[in-house]
Amino acid sequence: GEDVEQSLFLSVREGDSSVINCTYTDSSSTYLYWYKQEPGAGLQLLTYIFSNMDMKQDQRLTVLLNKKDKHLSLRIADTQTGDSAIYFCAESFDNYGQNFVFGPGTRLSVLP
Amino acid sequence: GAGVSQSPSNKVTEKGKDVELRCDPISGHTALYWYRQSLGQGLEFLIYFQGNSAPDKSGLPSDRFSAERTGGSVSTLTIQRTQQEDSAVYLCASSVQPSGGYEQYFGPGTRLTVT
Repeated sequence: GEDVEQSLFLSVREGDSSVINCTYTDSSSTYLYWYKQEPGAGLQLLTYIFSNMDMKQDQRLTVLLNKKDKHLSLRIADTQTGDSAIYFCAESFDNYGQNFVFGPGTRLSVLP
Repeated sequence: GAGVSQSPSNKVTEKGKDVELRCDPISGHTALYWYRQSLGQGLEFLIYFQGNSAPDKSGLPSDRFSAERTGGSVSTLTIQRTQQEDSAVYLCASSVQPSGGYEQYFGPGTRLTVT
């Protein structure tokens, strides 16, 4: 079955770059996503990448996809305290039913 | 426009009681999902509705859990005879289309505490 893994914690200093990593097992996924969950709030989609792409950039965010290694990463440039949150990696499949699988989330702490 | 809303935001109940959690999806969204997020865990898929099709209940952890979606809009998740392990945040999400590539919009969740 599908499985998505992430490291649970990451700490960085304000102004540094953050890199959050994710590995997945099912290579038939069509899209891969990064969601952000701030304290006490619901999940918000940050960005997503189609599985036939290897990179996507959106302002401070860069998503890299290595399909061979089934590895997805999210790089946040110039990390700010407002970036402190839990980041979830997710994959989806082109079929009906349970078609989204989420990782456990990485808690990013930004230190002043 | 209005996002996904859920009620109540917090629910404390005694073990053995039944609870109902409500989700109002974004108007026009045909797909609706329920997830459970336990402390320090990722999202656990529970159930998925798409239009008038039969729901995908493959994620429901036991027969104490059930959900319905009336008129293709509002959904209610019911947990009967609650147990302490049911304590979690229950998240609802909706999307325009069910298949991959479309954003799921999440509600703020209902925090359920079973004492």
